[in-house]
Amino acid sequence: QKEVEQNSGPLSVPEGAIASLNCTYSDRGSQSFFWYRQYSGKSPELIMSIYSNGDKEDGRFTAQLNKASQYVSLLIRDSQPSDSATYLCAVNFPGGSYIPTFGRGTSLIVHP
Amino acid sequence: NAGVTQTPKFQVLKTGQSMTLQCAQDMNHNSMYWYRQDPGMGLRLIYYSASEGTTDKGEVPNGYNVSRLNKREFSLRLESAAPSQTSVYFCASSEAGDTGELFFGEGSRLTVL
Repeated sequence: QKEVEQNSGPLSVPEGAIASLNCTYSDRGSQSFFWYRQYSGKSPELIMSIYSNGDKEDGRFTAQLNKASQYVSLLIRDSQPSDSATYLCAVNFPGGSYIPTFGRGTSLIVHP
Repeated sequence: NAGVTQTPKFQVLKTGQSMTLQCAQDMNHNSMYWYRQDPGMGLRLIYYSASEGTTDKGEVPNGYNVSRLNKREFSLRLESAAPSQTSVYFCASSEAGDTGELFFGEGSRLTVL
């Protein structure tokens, strides 16, 4: 069973704080992991991809991957109200088409 | 830079009517996808096309058909719409079928009465 689990939230953080979004997945053999951001009423857009254990930084965003624990997270530093959105975790599961399976998303609210 | 273009953006149907959602991408991508998104359910794959000339079922294919018309275009058809098909539909494309780096269209909001 291909499962990607996320806390639906909402996660509420004050402006300037670090927002931490978490995701777990069901297959230890998975190799590719993605974070998408979706503003209300808009389409998802890719913001981060990570393939190796450890951290990957891009501006204010850091993706963290721990394959042994089947856990991937997204940290947003210096959170801004414009970061308020739903964040979708996606995982490519092995043994088939490698189509990404999406979690249900975590709603993030950054309040001034 | 159009990217992925979907039409129509909004549609209201009566139960039993048929319609086709159109999708075109101008990024020369090989793979294309149709997802539906319902509140609290996340994105669920309906059908995908790994390359021109091939199509495969996803997680929720019942009630839908697809056509990969050429490399650019991938359409989704509802032959006999049902209220359970009320949803937001997203078309997406990717360079190859083994990447999760998808580019999404703006979505099509469908209501079936």
